[in-house]
Amino acid sequence: NAGVTQTPKFQVLKTGQSMTLQCAQDMNHNSMYWYRQDPGMGLRLIYYSASEGTTDKGEVPNGYNVSRLNKREFSLRLESAAPSQTSVYFCASSATGSGNTIYFGEGSWLTVV
Amino acid sequence: QQQVKQSPQSLIVQKGGISIINCAYENTAFDYFPWYQQFPGKGPALLIAIRPDVSEKKEGRFTISFNKSAKQFSLHIMDSQPGDSATYFCAASKGSGYSTLTFGKGTMLLVSP
Repeated sequence: NAGVTQTPKFQVLKTGQSMTLQCAQDMNHNSMYWYRQDPGMGLRLIYYSASEGTTDKGEVPNGYNVSRLNKREFSLRLESAAPSQTSVYFCASSATGSGNTIYFGEGSWLTVV
Repeated sequence: QQQVKQSPQSLIVQKGGISIINCAYENTAFDYFPWYQQFPGKGPALLIAIRPDVSEKKEGRFTISFNKSAKQFSLHIMDSQPGDSATYFCAASKGSGYSTLTFGKGTMLLVSP
C-alpha cells in the first residue's frame, strides 16, 4: 500500500551542493509531479511529466532539473543548492487527464544553509 | 498572477461549529475544482471535488458550494471536530486536454475542543 514514496525525508545541504530527490509510485500512473510548499505560498508546481518520456516546466522551475527515469520514477535534482530552495518538496502522481485525483507523497524537508 | 485566491489564511472554529473556506478563480476555462486536506507532516490528500455542472456537492460533513457566475467556490465543514484541524487547499484545472492543478495558498484550520 505504498502509493507515492519519496526519499530522503530530511536533508541539510550547504549552499552550492547538489542533490537528487527520488520519487517512485506504484499506482501505474502516467503523470508525475514535483511541488514545493512554502509558508503562505501554498503548493507551487516545479516540474511535471505528463507521461513517460516527457517533462515540462511548472510555475517555479529555475534551479531544478528533473528526470523521468521510467513510468514509476521521477527524480528532482538541485544542481547548486541555494538558501531560497529551503522548502518542503512533494512528489505526486495521477492518471492522465484533468479531473483525476493527484496522490502526494509524504514530503521531503530540505534545508540549505 | 494568482489564478486561485483562497481566504481566510487561517481560521479558528469551536467544536461543533461550521468552518467555511472560500476560493475565487479567474480562468473561465477551469472546470474541475477539488479540495485537498493536509495534516502536519503529511502530504495533501483529496477531500472532495466538484465540476461546474452542479452547484453543490456533499460528502458527509463536507460540502462544496459552487457559484459559476461569480467564479467562486467554498468548502463548508459542518459540526467541525478537532480532528478536522488541518490545512485545506482549494485547486482548479481545465477540462480539455492535459492540465495541471493550480492551488490556492491554503487555509490553516484549528478546531478548538
